[in-house]
Amino acid sequence: GENVEQHPSTLSVQEGDSAVIKCTYSDSASNYFPWYKQELGKGPQLIIDIRSNVGEKKDQRIAVTLNKTAKHFSLHITETQPEDSAVYFCAFGGGNDYKLSFGAGTTVTVRA
Amino acid sequence: ETGVTQTPRHLVMGMTNKKSLKCEQHLGHNAMYWYKQSAKKPLELMFVYNFKEQTENNSVPSRFSPECPNSSHLFLHLHTLQPEDSALYLCASSQAGASGGYTFGSGTRLTVV
Repeated sequence: GENVEQHPSTLSVQEGDSAVIKCTYSDSASNYFPWYKQELGKGPQLIIDIRSNVGEKKDQRIAVTLNKTAKHFSLHITETQPEDSAVYFCAFGGGNDYKLSFGAGTTVTVRA
Repeated sequence: ETGVTQTPRHLVMGMTNKKSLKCEQHLGHNAMYWYKQSAKKPLELMFVYNFKEQTENNSVPSRFSPECPNSSHLFLHLHTLQPEDSALYLCASSQAGASGGYTFGSGTRLTVV
């Protein structure tokens, strides 16, 4: 499948601080960029997504930014809370293929 | 519930057993997927079905056999598995052609003993 690099692999933040996860993708034809959150014992859940005609999208404490020129997109979580602790996956797709390619995941731990 | 239901949630099986995992979606999607998720590893795509037709088999060993009788149901038949096959098996669905996201089930935690 197409390549996507996700960094960092682990992230520990103090409650109330911000968390940022970045992904770099390879297929310039990609036009859809979702982010998934996976809590313990559950499957990944879509939390926010962005399409290539938009540079930024925000939903309460979560935002995603997209830089198509540099082929990277980022997830920003502000005012982190303990319930934000989970594994986060970036993905990209579209172009000539409906399948998504997933990053390796970032384990986020929010310290109380 | 996400709209994608997987059963069973947990399964322990011996290496000589035969078992099946089931996935059902009521979202009207036309594409379904099986993923393997092992500890400390990325999601591994196993199989893709589009309108009930298998469109991708990602070099999966023959001891895993998928079946898609209709666009709402997906099975993964297991036989003579190895301990390294122990993992979380995730099913997902999407609307192919709509460039949209996947909806995942909660997964089946498989342990091969």
